[in-house]
Amino acid sequence: DGGITQSPKYLFRKEGQNVTLSCEQNLNHDAMYWYRQDPGQGLRLIYYSQIVNDFQKGDIAEGYSVSREKKESFPLTVTSAQKNPTAFYLCASSALGGSGGYEQFFGPGTRLTVL
Amino acid sequence: DQQVKQNSPSLSVQEGRISILNCDYTNSMFDYFLWYKKYPAEGPTFLISISSIKDKNEDGRFTVFLNKSAKHLSLHIVPSQPGDSAVYFCAAGGSQGNLIFGKGTKLSVKP
Repeated sequence: DGGITQSPKYLFRKEGQNVTLSCEQNLNHDAMYWYRQDPGQGLRLIYYSQIVNDFQKGDIAEGYSVSREKKESFPLTVTSAQKNPTAFYLCASSALGGSGGYEQFFGPGTRLTVL
Repeated sequence: DQQVKQNSPSLSVQEGRISILNCDYTNSMFDYFLWYKKYPAEGPTFLISISSIKDKNEDGRFTVFLNKSAKHLSLHIVPSQPGDSAVYFCAAGGSQGNLIFGKGTKLSVKP
């Protein structure tokens, strides 16, 4: 089945450690996105990539890093510089161009808890 | 500044009645608007979208209305069902493909 997978579902880390969240899609989408959701907040964009080997900062990129070495994969690293890393992280992908509405398809999310 | 606003954090509706979720936006350059439904600890799922050149789009029980002059859109769910209970996000997008999301409205449909 086509879709987006994120792993793991739950992740615990000690303060000061870097952690990498996985996101893979087999939808052949060009664009991929990382969002963060906090209680009572909408989805805030961390980073996005519209093509392999290129990515752009979103609204809250500080303390995060990404890579896009393959079209299917867009891992997110939460670094120790991120002051409030505990959150629900969502990865999404979309096809670009055409007459569609640029609908984004979301993965199931990763709940990161920093102890 | 929030470019996409959902001013009602929550909405409670009786089963079988109409649910109306509202969304306001500030940027007249948005090309399209989408509604997503989200259950706790899951990713959002796409519900329905509308292009800025239209004023209505319907899909089964879901209808989205767009009032460009008022920079306002709404999602109507008729009839509402208990399974519709979730958080609904409004999103708006432009030519770059990025979406800007509202903070969501939690809908509770009571049997």
